[in-house]
Amino acid sequence: AQSVSQHNHHVILSEAASLELGCNYSYGGTVNLFWYVQYPGQHLQLLLKYFSGDPLVKGIKGFEAEFIKSKFSFNLRKPSVQWSDTAEYFCAVMDTGRRALTFGSGTRLQVQP
Amino acid sequence: EAGVAQSPRYKIIEKRQSVAFWCNPISGHATLYWYQQILGQGPKLLIQFQNNGVVDDSQLPKDRFSAERLKGVDSTLKIQPAKLEDSAVYLCASSLYEQYFGPGTRLTVT
Repeated sequence: AQSVSQHNHHVILSEAASLELGCNYSYGGTVNLFWYVQYPGQHLQLLLKYFSGDPLVKGIKGFEAEFIKSKFSFNLRKPSVQWSDTAEYFCAVMDTGRRALTFGSGTRLQVQP
Repeated sequence: EAGVAQSPRYKIIEKRQSVAFWCNPISGHATLYWYQQILGQGPKLLIQFQNNGVVDDSQLPKDRFSAERLKGVDSTLKIQPAKLEDSAVYLCASSLYEQYFGPGTRLTVT
């Protein structure tokens, strides 16, 4: 069975600080990897995804993530956060057979102005 | 394009009562998912439909939860009878390749 581990449950940063959120997964087969974001009062939205190819993927709003296969990791990064990045961030893995998502427990990011 | 629609947005019931949630996916999306998100956790898959057939319901508590997707479009998720631990947000998602989520239904069981 797949599992996803997000190491940081609650992160507080000041504006302009750099962000890195950790995500590790366990699954032996081929996976697709995702980061979703949920802004306060809004739906879950796709931030970025990795299917294959370049392990460094860029998403919306200046976010990027790097897939490191040997470490089973897919960490999310942003060089300079803004107050509007305050949200909950979820890492998810999808096995290419079932196509359903397994989510981590989420990281709540709070950016202080 | 219109997103995934869900109703109601909020529901409060007493334990042992029944409740139903409705989902209308994005037009043309063959795959529909129901997830349960308990406070402080990530969403957990309950059931996955491909058109009107069930692909995966291994994590659905079938003694109290049921779901159907008639005509391969709208879907209904029912809980009967509800327990306190069913308090959660119930998310519907649909996909062609990537999943799009609805706003969810927040269920409180008292």
